[in-house]
Amino acid sequence: QQQVKQSPQSLIVQKGGISIINCAYENTAFDYFPWYQQFPGKGPALLIAIRPDVSEKKEGRFTISFNKSAKQFSLHIMDSQPGDSATYFCAAAYAGGTSYGKLTFGQGTILTVHP
Amino acid sequence: EAQVTQNPRYLITVTGKKLTVTCSQNMNHEYMSWYRQDPGLGLRQIYYSMNVEVTDKGDVPEGYKVSRKEKRNFPLILESPSPNQTSLYFCASSTRQGSREQYFGPGTRLTVT
Repeated sequence: QQQVKQSPQSLIVQKGGISIINCAYENTAFDYFPWYQQFPGKGPALLIAIRPDVSEKKEGRFTISFNKSAKQFSLHIMDSQPGDSATYFCAAAYAGGTSYGKLTFGQGTILTVHP
Repeated sequence: EAQVTQNPRYLITVTGKKLTVTCSQNMNHEYMSWYRQDPGLGLRQIYYSMNVEVTDKGDVPEGYKVSRKEKRNFPLILESPSPNQTSLYFCASSTRQGSREQYFGPGTRLTVT
C-alpha cells in the first residue's frame, strides 16, 4: 500500500522552464512533508520541507505548495537549470511515538532539464 | 565534516552467503534507519533505531537484521541473502530534537546472484 503517491515518474523541461512534481497522501496524521533531491551515485538530501499549518513555502527557486483539504502537495522549480537534473522524492512523516523519524516516500520523479 | 558513511559501496554476492553492511554517523544522532531503494517504489524503511539497544521493524524487515550497540553505528545484516534483496541500500540518521532532517549515507549497491 503506497501511502504517498508521486507523479509524474519522469519529467523533461527546457532550461528556464517551470518543473512541477505532485504528491498525494492518505494518512491525515502526517505532519511533516519534505522533498529530497538525489543525484546519481549519491544519497538523498533534504531540499525543502513544509508543515501543514502553512500553504506555501519558498526557498530560492524551489516552492512547496500544500493543500491540506485535498491531501496534496507539490514542488515547483522555477527557472529550471541543467544542474537541477536529479531524482526528486516527496515524503511524509509524523512525530508520534515510535514512528518518529520514519519517512514514507513517494515513488520518485526523474527530472531532466535540457540546456 | 558531518556525515553518514556506509561500507561497502558495492557488493556482489551469492545466495545464502551472510553479509554485513556497516553504517556510521559522526553527528551524535539518536535516530538511525535503513532504507532500500527500488525503481518505481521509492525508498522503503527496513529497520530503525531510536537509540542504543532500541531497534524496531520498518515496512520491509523480512530477511534483514540490525543491531545498535553504539550510538554511532547501525549495521545491516543479511543472514541468508536472496536475489530479491538485490537493491540500493541507504542508511540515514537524524536528531530527535529540533530539525527532522534526515542525513543519508552514499548508498550500498548490493547484487545477490
